[in-house]
Parts: sequence; structure tokens; C-alpha cells
Amino acid sequence: SQQGEEDPQALSIQEGENATMNCSYKTSINNLQWYRQNSGRGLVHLILIRSNEREKHSGRLRVTLDTSKKSSSLLITASRAADTASYFCATDGFQKLVFGTGTRLLVSP
Amino acid sequence: GAVVSQHPSWVICKSGTSVKIECRSLDFQATTMFWYRQFPKQSLMLMATSNEGSKATYEQGVEKDKFLINHASLTLSTLTVTSAHPEDSSFYICSARAGVIYEQFFGPGTRLTVL
Repeated sequence: SQQGEEDPQALSIQEGENATMNCSYKTSINNLQWYRQNSGRGLVHLILIRSNEREKHSGRLRVTLDTSKKSSSLLITASRAADTASYFCATDGFQKLVFGTGTRLLVSP
Repeated sequence: GAVVSQHPSWVICKSGTSVKIECRSLDFQATTMFWYRQFPKQSLMLMATSNEGSKATYEQGVEKDKFLINHASLTLSTLTVTSAHPEDSSFYICSARAGVIYEQFFGPGTRLTVL
């Protein structure tokens, strides 16, 4: 399978704490994207980082990309209960998006 | 961002019947559309890629005769689950993009339950 892997599979934190999720992939990529999915709902696009970028910020989100290690991380700072969701990385190798296994984040008030 | 719609948002059907799910790009022309399947608490698995006017390319392990995909226009793709069985119950999500260099936009998903 070409599917990427994410860890941890599940993460439980308190409001205000930071959450870090990691993604590893197997093939060369054009870009890597992170998505959020609330239970039973569609995907929300969070951020896209290109293969020639190493770090990107968007609000409380910080994404890093290490193409030599074929890995990426998503950091959510000052988490809120509303951040509770599943988070997926997806690698774009020009042809199609391949999703990682996902991290289920639970933020408790 | 661009909008992709899916219809219906949920459907319940009896085993053995066929179900059609529509995916529409509302404000752009989608040269390529993708169909994904997601089981509970799992990730999205790509089923097939369809380019307007040509046959869909199916991922390994996806039955072409079971999941019929038609991309007849630049704004519409359909997925038909033929002779549906309970194991076909899943969340089906489509996405669309205007070209290879463009971002994919995802539909809200269709929940299929086969009794």
C-alpha cells in the first residue's frame, strides 16, 4: 500500500495545550496537505506545503516538511475543544492524493 | 474556494439494488474527479480517478463492474454501486480539480447504508 502513516493514532489533551501529529510517506511528492474531518462529515482543507518548502504557518497551525526523511508534522497551538476531530495528511504526487491513516484528536475543556 | 456538491448526502437501500451518487463541481470545470471510500474510523481510500470523456482508472482491488463511474461532463461525475450489499455500506467522498497543477476540492460525502 502507498498509504502514508500517521502517529499517534489517537491523541487526548486539555484545552490550551499544543497537539503535534506526525505523518510519514513513501513516495516522491509535489506537495503535502493536511485535512480535518469532524465525525461523519466531509473534509476541511487546512494547509498545503510544497516539496520545496520546509515550514508553513496558518493561524494556530504550523506544518513542517522534511523530504529527506519523507515526513511532515502538524502542530496545533493553544488547542480548543472545537479542534476535536480526525486529522489526515495527504501526499500529492501529481497524479492523485494519497491519505495517511489519520490521527484522532480529542481536546477536553 | 471552489465548491463541490454531492447528492444524496445519505441513502439507505435494500441489498441487491443499485445506487447512484452524483458529484458536481459548481463553479469550475473539473477535468478530473476522484472517488474515495471511507469506513468508520478509517482513512480515505482512493477508489478511482475519472477524466472527463474517458474511462475511469480504478485502484487495485476495486471492482470495475461493481462501482461504475461516469464522467460525462466537466461538472458532473456519477458513481453507481451496482447490486449493493451490506459490506458496501460506507462513506463515499468525491473530489474534483481543474487540472493537474490545481488543488482538489472535496464534496461533503454520501453515507450509504445497505440493509
